[in-house]
Amino acid sequence: DQQVKQNSPSLSVQEGRISILNCDYTNSMFDYFLWYKKYPAEGPTFLISISSIKDKNEDGRFTVFLNKSAKHLSLHIVPSQPGDSAVYFCAASPNAGGTSYGKLTFGQGTILTVHP
Amino acid sequence: NAGVTQTPKFQVLKTGQSMTLQCAQDMNHEYMSWYRQDPGMGLRLIHYSVGAGITDQGEVPNGYNVSRSTTEDFPLRLLSAAPSQTSVYFCASSYLGQPQAFFGQGTRLTVV
Repeated sequence: DQQVKQNSPSLSVQEGRISILNCDYTNSMFDYFLWYKKYPAEGPTFLISISSIKDKNEDGRFTVFLNKSAKHLSLHIVPSQPGDSAVYFCAASPNAGGTSYGKLTFGQGTILTVHP
Repeated sequence: NAGVTQTPKFQVLKTGQSMTLQCAQDMNHEYMSWYRQDPGMGLRLIHYSVGAGITDQGEVPNGYNVSRSTTEDFPLRLLSAAPSQTSVYFCASSYLGQPQAFFGQGTRLTVV
């Protein structure tokens, strides 16, 4: 049972345009959502996160939107750059903080390719 | 700071062999965890620890053992390797109460 789903295995965009990566979840107990970026042969690196009490969080070119009623989040990258080409994972963490926070549930990942 | 360090980076095992994947962090994080990444499956939690002497199972714990004798180290043991354990393994650490985890570079394990 995949509790976090990224239904698009890949996305291809032109440099300078917007990249939109989507993620859906089913577990209402998830309280915190994160996006990780992964290059080949490296570990995932944290990109941006959002708490369930917010609907938007922005950090430079990266913005994450959360729609709790639809159990959907998206990552917008504007403008996209060739160096953004990587695998993007969304992840979710249950609430209650403390010992629960480290138990991340990941989606399958989306391969983003940004063409010059 | 080195962050999270995993060794080895690559390993080939024969079915039935045992080995230990090492993980060390120098950020004084209480929380450490092991994930495996398989094609089309994302990362799945194997075991985690909230501090020295405390460990618990994640989503896919079968075939793996862990222990945490110090804050810094969290080794993952395969007692009898099986081809189904062929995967890329990632160790992660974080502060207790913070969901953002820091990952090591991974260990690519092949069991033949």
